[in-house]
Amino acid sequence: TQLLEQSPQFLSIQEGENLTVYCNSSSVFSSLQWYRQEPGEGPVLLVTVVTGGEVKKLKRLTFQFGDARKDSSLHITAAQTGDTGLYLCAGALNTGNQFYFGTGTSLTVIP
Amino acid sequence: ETGVTQTPRHLVMGMTNKKSLKCEQHLGHNAMYWYKQSAKKPLELMFVYNFKEQTENNSVPSRFSPECPNSSHLFLHLHTLQPEDSALYLCASSREAGASRRRTGGYTFGSGTRLTVV
Repeated sequence: TQLLEQSPQFLSIQEGENLTVYCNSSSVFSSLQWYRQEPGEGPVLLVTVVTGGEVKKLKRLTFQFGDARKDSSLHITAAQTGDTGLYLCAGALNTGNQFYFGTGTSLTVIP
Repeated sequence: ETGVTQTPRHLVMGMTNKKSLKCEQHLGHNAMYWYKQSAKKPLELMFVYNFKEQTENNSVPSRFSPECPNSSHLFLHLHTLQPEDSALYLCASSREAGASRRRTGGYTFGSGTRLTVV
C-alpha cells in the first residue's frame, strides 16, 4: 500500500490542452511538494505547499493543497512540449525526517 | 560548481564486483540522502545522513554500504549485488534532515547513477 497515490499514471495530450494530475492519501501531511523529473535527470522541486487550502501558481502551473492536507492537485494550462516529464508529489508527515514520494504521473505533450 | 553532482552517470557491474557511487554537493546543505528509483515504484529512501551522522537506514541490505566523510560528500559502496538491484540511484541534499517536518525542506537531487547488475 502506497502512502501517496498519484493519478493518472500516464497522460498523453496535445500541445495547448489543459490537464490536472492528482496526489491522494489517507494521511495528513505537514507539507507537500511537487517535483518534475525529465528522462535521465533527477527530480527538480517545483513547489512546496504547507497550509490546507493553499493555492500556488507558477506561470502556467497551479498547485492546490487540500483543505484537510491529505491531497493535492497540479493543473497545467495550455501545455507545452517542455512540460513533458514525470511529475512526483512528496509529502512530509508530522513525525520523521523524510518525504514520502508518490508513484508519479508520466506526462507526454505531443506537438 | 553548484548543485548536486553524481558519478558515474552509468555503471554496469557483475554480481561479484565491488564498486562505489559518489555524490558531492556544494550547496552548504547538512543532510544527504540516497534514494533508489525502480520502474513502476515510488522513490525508495535508503539512507539519511544529517551533519555526517547516519540517522536512517530503511532496512537496506548490507550489500549496500553508505559512507559520509563530511557534509559535502556521500558514497554508496556496492558489493555482491543482485540483478534486481538494477535501478537509478539518486543522491539528494537538503539544509537539514527534519526540515521536511518543519516545512522548510526541499530536496536538491543529483542526476543519478543508472546501475545495471549483470
